[in-house]
This record gives sequence, C-alpha cells and structure tokens, in this order.
Amino acid sequence: QIQLVQSGAEVKKPGASVKVSCETSGYTFTAYYIHWVRQAPGQGLEWMGWINPSSGATNYAQNFQGRVTMTRDASITTPYLELSRLTSDDTAVYYCARGRRWRETYYFDYWGQGTLVTVSS
Amino acid sequence: SYELTQPPSVSVSPGQTARITCSGDALPKRFAYWYRQKPGLAPVLVIYQDNERALGIPERFSGSSSGTTVTLTISGVQPEDEADYYCQSADSSGTYEVFGGGTKLTVL
Repeated sequence: QIQLVQSGAEVKKPGASVKVSCETSGYTFTAYYIHWVRQAPGQGLEWMGWINPSSGATNYAQNFQGRVTMTRDASITTPYLELSRLTSDDTAVYYCARGRRWRETYYFDYWGQGTLVTVSS
Repeated sequence: SYELTQPPSVSVSPGQTARITCSGDALPKRFAYWYRQKPGLAPVLVIYQDNERALGIPERFSGSSSGTTVTLTISGVQPEDEADYYCQSADSSGTYEVFGGGTKLTVL
C-alpha cells in the first residue's frame, strides 16, 4: 500500500534550520510530485511548495522563498524539506503529500502523518 | 496573493444537511478539492475535481460549483462527520496551490 512516513518531532532554537524527511513506498516515486504543507497550532493548512522527484525541480510558495529548500534522494525514495532562519512563527506540524495534477491544479491523495517542529529558545 | 474564503464554522443537527462554501476569483477556471481533517490527524481527500468523491468517502458527501463559489454538501450528517473541512485550488496562473482557511463543522 502507498505510504508516506515522516521523521520524528524536532525542537529547534530561533535562527536554526530544520530538515524533515518523508519516506515513500508503494508507488513509483518519480511519477508523482511531493508537496509540503504546514499547519500552525490551531490554524489552517498552508501550502509550501513542491518538488519533482524525477528532475529535482522545485516550486516554492512566495511566503517561503529564500528560506526553504526541497530536495530528494531517489535511491531511497525519500524527499526532504529544509527550512532555515526559524522563528517561533514556524512552530507547526509539517506534512508531506503526494500530488496529482489535473488541468493545472494539484491535489493531494496521500499524506504523511506529520512532523511537529517546535521553535523555542 | 490569491485567497480562498470559507466560513469559520457551520453547525447542524444529526440527519440534517450541511453546506460549506468556498469562494475564490479563479474558481471558474480551476478545479477545487475538499479535505476533511480530524484532530491530531492528517487531512483526508474527500472531493476532487469539484464534484467527484474520493475512494472510501460515503455517498452523503457531494461537491458542486457555480461561478466563483464551490460547495461541499453533506446530506444526512452523522456525528462522525464533525471535523475541519478545507477547500484547495490553484491561483489563476496555475503556479501556486492555496487552501481555504477551513470550516469547523459541529454536529449538535
């Protein structure tokens, strides 16, 4: 079955960086883009961007450009999200999700379980 | 930046019909998608391409579209339908994906 399994919770100090992984299985890794979505405590979902696992091409939401890096290791079918210069506003659950595209719109049919990142001094 | 607007909350009694709306300027030319999220869990796809039910979603869930507004309808609401619901689509250029602010459905 299709699974996206994310790395465990992280606690970081302001100004630091965090890297979250999303191990995928059960489907052809290079056939579907991976998107990252975050959710601050008690807040809604916020799309962060995507990575094309085949080429490594990325597209980042404007709110995160300059601070986010999405990469992948195709040999272990694992994409990564790295966010730098963390502040308390980055405290959130970070989700990876498999994206399917239809007429210039992506949607997300499988999700990881989420990774809580806490930024605190 | 592009926004999708949802009501913060909707309340219905069991067995009634719940309607959750989502408005956005690009919706006439972009499909919309709906997700259900229960506390502590990842979102789950409910409706895709405006009105198609995702696998495993009960028939009481349906979607519709009219102009700049899409609607998620839950007919005969059950207690287990209580959750947060999010719409999602793309901006007019198709470059960026966007979520609505979410609607908390309360089953009284």
